[in-house]
Amino acid sequence: EVQLVESGGGLIQPGGSLRLSCVASGFTVSGNYMSWVRQAPGKGLEWVSVIYSDDTTYHTDSVKGRFTISRDNSKNTLYLQMNSLRAEDTAVYFCARDREVAGPGWYYYYVDVWGKGTSVTVSS
Amino acid sequence: QPVLTQSSSASASLGSSVKLTCTLSSGHSTYIIAWHQQQPGKAPRYLMRVGNGGGYTKGSGVPDRFSGSSSGADRYLTISNLQSEDEADYYCETWDTNTRVFGGGAKLTVL
Repeated sequence: EVQLVESGGGLIQPGGSLRLSCVASGFTVSGNYMSWVRQAPGKGLEWVSVIYSDDTTYHTDSVKGRFTISRDNSKNTLYLQMNSLRAEDTAVYFCARDREVAGPGWYYYYVDVWGKGTSVTVSS
Repeated sequence: QPVLTQSSSASASLGSSVKLTCTLSSGHSTYIIAWHQQQPGKAPRYLMRVGNGGGYTKGSGVPDRFSGSSSGADRYLTISNLQSEDEADYYCETWDTNTRVFGGGAKLTVL
């Protein structure tokens, strides 16, 4: 069964650091594009970061320089290192697998597997 | 970067049908989008992807009551024979170079 299980969330003070983990089963993180998506309380979904199969990474502007996405292929695990946390980073963080669809001269990616999420609260 | 626009809410009666709309911004009308369902207190779930030709591909286990279609810059999610468990938030998603974009979500109420 294809599954993603996040962990590592919690209550952290502003300016602090936290590392989220996401263990995959039923597929390999190394062979897929993997993303983190967050949802602030009562709000919609917001894409945070992506890591490609060649280890290239991208982050949304609001977390650039503070968050780092990475993976450990031997553990089939995705990570999100979050530094200099702010109150506005408070959210449930979902791990997600990206699926590719391609045609002549074009390609797209979309999330086809979601984890259950881990909650991060940044507060003093 | 594309912008996805969704109506914030919709409602329909048990057993009826509802059609949710996701509109792509100007210059992005050919983009493929994905629909996701988020039931209260749960994680999102992938439902289907919808292309600009109207074709759609559903995820595993998605009931036949769910279908997709397209017209111009609009991508649709139609739910037939509405059930109580269909009451949820529905998000559309698309991709642009090195980023992903979500619509604001639509809250569906089943009356």
